[in-house]
Amino acid sequence: DQQVKQNSPSLSVQEGRISILNCDYTNSMFDYFLWYKKYPAEGPTFLISISSIKDKNEDGRFTVFLNKSAKHLSLHIVPSQPGDSAVYFCALGDSWGKLQFGAGTQVVVTP
Amino acid sequence: KAGVTQTPRYLIKTRGQQVTLSCSPISGHRSVSWYQQTPGQGLQFLFEYFSETQRNKGNFPGRFSGRQFSNSRSEMNVSTLELGDSALYLCASTRGGQNYEQYFGPGTRLTVT
Repeated sequence: DQQVKQNSPSLSVQEGRISILNCDYTNSMFDYFLWYKKYPAEGPTFLISISSIKDKNEDGRFTVFLNKSAKHLSLHIVPSQPGDSAVYFCALGDSWGKLQFGAGTQVVVTP
Repeated sequence: KAGVTQTPRYLIKTRGQQVTLSCSPISGHRSVSWYQQTPGQGLQFLFEYFSETQRNKGNFPGRFSGRQFSNSRSEMNVSTLELGDSALYLCASTRGGQNYEQYFGPGTRLTVT
C-alpha cells in the first residue's frame, strides 16, 4: 500500500517559469518531509526539508510547503533553470527514522 | 571528504543465483540504509544498519539480507535471484540518530536474466 504518492510522473516547464511538484500522503505518522533530486547514473541528493511544525521553508530558488491537514507537500522552483532537469522524489520520515519515498516526478526544463 | 561508494556499479546474474553488494559510507557515518529502485515504484526501503545492528526493516522477503561491519561498511545479499529483483540498489549513510538527510551512493544496477 503506497502511503506516499507523487501523482505526476512528469512535468515540462519553460526556463524562467515556476515548477510546482506535488506529493500526497495518507498517514499522519510522518514528522519530517524532504525533497531529493536525482540525475541519471547518480544517487539522489538532498535538496530541502521541512519539519511537521512548520508550513514553509525556503532555500534560494527552492521553497517547500507543507499542508498537514490536507496531507500535502509541494516543492516550488523559481525560476526554473535547465540544470533543474532531473527526477524529484519526496521523502517522508517517521519517528523511527525511516524514510518513505514517492515514485518520483521527472522534470524537464526547456529553453 | 569522500562520498558514499558502492561496488560493483553493474552486475548481471542468472535467476537462482545469489549476489552480494557492497557499500562504504562517508567517513564518520554510522548508519547505512539500503533501497531498491524500480521504474514507477520510487525507492523502496530494504533495511537500515546502525553500529552493526539492524535497526529498521522494510517489507521484503527473507531472501534479502544485510550486515554491517565494525568500520560501518555494509553488504547486502540477495539469494535465489528472481527476474523481479532486477533494479537499482542504492545505499545511503547518515551519522546516526534521527538524521533524515541521507547521503546516497551512485547505486548498483542489478540485472537478472
